[in-house]
Amino acid sequence: DAKTTQPPSMDCAEGRAANLPCNHSTISGNEYVYWYRQIHSQGPQYIIHGLKNNETNEMASLIITEDRKSSTLILPHATLRDTAVYYCIVRVAATSGTYKYIFGTGTRLKVLA
Amino acid sequence: DTAVSQTPKYLVTQMGNDKSIKCEQNLGHDTMYWYKQDSKKFLKIMFSYNNKELIINETVPNRFSPKSPDKAHLNLHINSLELGDSAVYFCASSQAGRRTLDEQYFGPGTRLTVT
Repeated sequence: DAKTTQPPSMDCAEGRAANLPCNHSTISGNEYVYWYRQIHSQGPQYIIHGLKNNETNEMASLIITEDRKSSTLILPHATLRDTAVYYCIVRVAATSGTYKYIFGTGTRLKVLA
Repeated sequence: DTAVSQTPKYLVTQMGNDKSIKCEQNLGHDTMYWYKQDSKKFLKIMFSYNNKELIINETVPNRFSPKSPDKAHLNLHINSLELGDSAVYFCASSQAGRRTLDEQYFGPGTRLTVT
C-alpha cells in the first residue's frame, strides 16, 4: 500500500497562504490523493482530491508533481478556523467494489493571529 | 443541527465485554457507513448500509455486528471486546450510490479503549 509522509507540525500567520507538503513516493498510477482535516473532536472533513492534474475548489488548491510522488495542499488565506490536523491520504482499491483510505500521520497546522 | 452524530464520544471498557455505539444522521441520506481509524491513522471501511440493507461488509470479525433500525440510524455492536479493538470508530453517511470519500459526511467519532 502506498504510504504518505507529512511534517508533524507547521505554523502559519493568519491571512497568509498555508502550504502543506506530502510525499507519496510509492503511489500507483490509479491511486488518488485526498486531503482531509480533523478539527479537534470532530470527524474527518473533506478538502480536495486529485489524480494527476492540479485541482482547486472553494477551500483549497492541490498541486501534484508531474511524477506524482509528492503534492502540496494550499490554503490561500488561512484563518484561525483552519487550525486543525491535515491528513494526506492515498485511496487504494479494496474489496466489495469500494476503496481503502490510507491516512498519513498528519500535519498539525496552527494558524497564528 | 448536527448532521451525523455518534454516542458515546468516549468508551472505556474491559476485555470480554459487549458494547454498542450508536449513529444517527439527519441529512436524509440513504447510505450509512462505519469506519475504523486505528493508531496508525489508517481509516478503513467496515460496513455500509443502504436503506437498511447491508451492501458492504469488509473483512471484519464476526464479533462486530451492525444494526440499522431505519435509514437514519446505524448502530455498531461489538461482542467479546479485545485489546485490538481499541480505535476511533467513525460513522458516515452519503446519498445512495455515492461511495467515494469526498461525498460522505462523517460523525465526530467514538474513541473506544479496551483495557
